[in-house]
Amino acid sequence: DTGVSQDPRHKITKRGQNVTFRCDPISEHNRLYWYRQTLGQGPEFLTYFQNEAQLEKSRLLSDRFSAERPKGSFSTLEIQRTEQGDSAMYLCASSLDISKTQYFGPGTRLLVL
Amino acid sequence: AQKVTQAQTEISVVEKEDVTLDCVYETRDTTYYLFWYKQPPSGELVFLIRRNSFDEQNEISGRYSWNFQKSTSSFNFTITASQVVDSAVYFCALSDNTGNQFYFGTGTSLTVIP
Repeated sequence: DTGVSQDPRHKITKRGQNVTFRCDPISEHNRLYWYRQTLGQGPEFLTYFQNEAQLEKSRLLSDRFSAERPKGSFSTLEIQRTEQGDSAMYLCASSLDISKTQYFGPGTRLLVL
Repeated sequence: AQKVTQAQTEISVVEKEDVTLDCVYETRDTTYYLFWYKQPPSGELVFLIRRNSFDEQNEISGRYSWNFQKSTSSFNFTITASQVVDSAVYFCALSDNTGNQFYFGTGTSLTVIP
């Protein structure tokens, strides 16, 4: 399978704990995106990387959120001091510069108790 | 500002019926891209189609067809002879020429009843 993969698929945590999610993009894709999706809504953009550079961040990405993409390969999204409002599906996508089409992973479903 | 509206929240059809999912978009850009994605219960968004703003030709792929009309800022999606496997949430999305950000609609949940 050469699609976008995400780990873990599900995460349950207690309020105040830190969590980290991983995304492995399609191997030749240089762009990587993070989205958040809550129930009944479409995905909302959080941030994106071109290679290892984080080029854009949404206002949704509070200072408790941090994303990295070392060496331009996989990416991690960390949420510190989780809150119940962070409960959502976190989606990762990747694309090629010229393609404009984003291919999505299966998502990580986070539940903060 | 970019915006996508999918006015139909939920649609139910009986198997083999045709169904059209509506998508209306707003943008001030002259170059932009429109997309449709399918999200089955498993959660993964599956890419269906991409159109750029200069290509208004309608497209057909098997039972799926898309009608792009710039005059009405619409990009509607029709499933012909629906099947139970078509049951999913369908999202329309818009991006500018850079493709840096996608703006998604709120989705239309389609249920095909056997």
